[in-house]
Formats: sequence, structure tokens, C-alpha cells
Amino acid sequence: AQSVTQPDIHITVSEGASLELRCNYSYGATPYLFWYVQSPGQGLQLLLKYFSGDTLVQGIKGFEAEFKRSQSSFNLRKPSVHWSDAAEYFCAVGGGSNYKLTFGKGTLLTVNP
Amino acid sequence: KAGVTQTPRYLIKTRGQQVTLSCSPISGHRSVSWYQQTPGQGLQFLFEYFSETQRNKGNFPGRFSGRQFSNSRSEMNVSTLELGDSALYLCASSLEAWASGTFYNEQFFGPGTRLTVL
Repeated sequence: AQSVTQPDIHITVSEGASLELRCNYSYGATPYLFWYVQSPGQGLQLLLKYFSGDTLVQGIKGFEAEFKRSQSSFNLRKPSVHWSDAAEYFCAVGGGSNYKLTFGKGTLLTVNP
Repeated sequence: KAGVTQTPRYLIKTRGQQVTLSCSPISGHRSVSWYQQTPGQGLQFLFEYFSETQRNKGNFPGRFSGRQFSNSRSEMNVSTLELGDSALYLCASSLEAWASGTFYNEQFFGPGTRLTVL
């Protein structure tokens, strides 16, 4: 069975500080990994994805994530957080022709001025 | 290109009623998936349709059903509504594509339909 763990329910950072959101997954085959962001009352916006190849992937809004197979992790990073990054972030795993995405419980990011 | 659209955006129903939600995928996308989001259970997969056929189904009771039309638009129906069905229902569309031996199927989400059951 596939699963995703996001250990941090809520993270608070100061504007301009660096950010790392953790994600660990369980998947029986080569995983497809995704990070989505959700603002209050909105749908999910895709930040970045990993399908294959380079394990460091770049996304929108200055985010990047690194796939580490040995650690079953896909952590999201940003070098300098902006107040507009405050939102909830979801890590998800799926695979190939399996369209079922399994999501983590999400990490709520608060940005202090 | 227009994104995924969902109608209506908000719905209020009472227990025992039924409801139909609609989703129009991004032009050219043939796969449509549905998810339920609640504070307690988070995001859960309901089902996925491709070319009018259900290919994947999550672990939900038979009260939850869906269909897809020939133009890829999809509807989901919930019958005999319960209080616990109150949720944000998200639709996602996907364009399947092969490139360099990798199968790409990233899902793009709509804004959701907020269903409240009283």
C-alpha cells in the first residue's frame, strides 16, 4: 500500500528565512512524487513533480525538492520565504498508470514578518 | 488554456438528499479524478475516469458514484447524503504522455466544490 508522512503539522518561519518541509513515502515501485500548495478555500496548485532522472527538481515560485530513494524522502525547500508563501503544503505519491494519488496530511506554513 | 472548472462552487444540502457535482477538464485532458478533502481524513481518492470508463476506485461506499462523458467532462453523484459527506470535493484532470521512456500523468486540480450537509 502507498502512504505519505508529513511529520510537521505546522511550521512557522520568518520572512526571508530558509524553509524545508519534510515528506516520507512508502511505495512498492518507482514512485511519482508531487508537492502541491493550497491557499485557504482554494484548490491545489502543483509546485513540482518527480517522475525520473535528476533527483533534484525545480518548481515554481522558487521551490525545489530532492528525491532520496535510500531515505524514501522527497523534501521541499526554498532558500528565502516570502509572506505570500503562507499556505498549506501537501506531498503526494502515485505511480505510472496509477492515477490514485495518496496525499500526506499536509504542513501548514505560517510566515512571520 | 483554461484550467479545470468545477460547478457549483458551493452547495448546501440536507441529510438524505442527493447531489451532483460537475467537472470540466483542461482541453485535451482525457483523465479525470475526484478527491474528497475533510479536516479529519485529509485528501482521499474517490475514483478516476478515462474515456468514459472508471479505471480506479477508492475506498468509498456505493453512495458515491461518477461518470464521464464523451467530451471528457465528468460528474460525481452522492446519494442519501450524510453529515460526514460535508467536504471540499476536488476534481483533477491529467494529460497522459510518454517521453523518453517515462509516463507522465501530472494532475491539475480545479478550485473544488464545497458541500455542506445539514
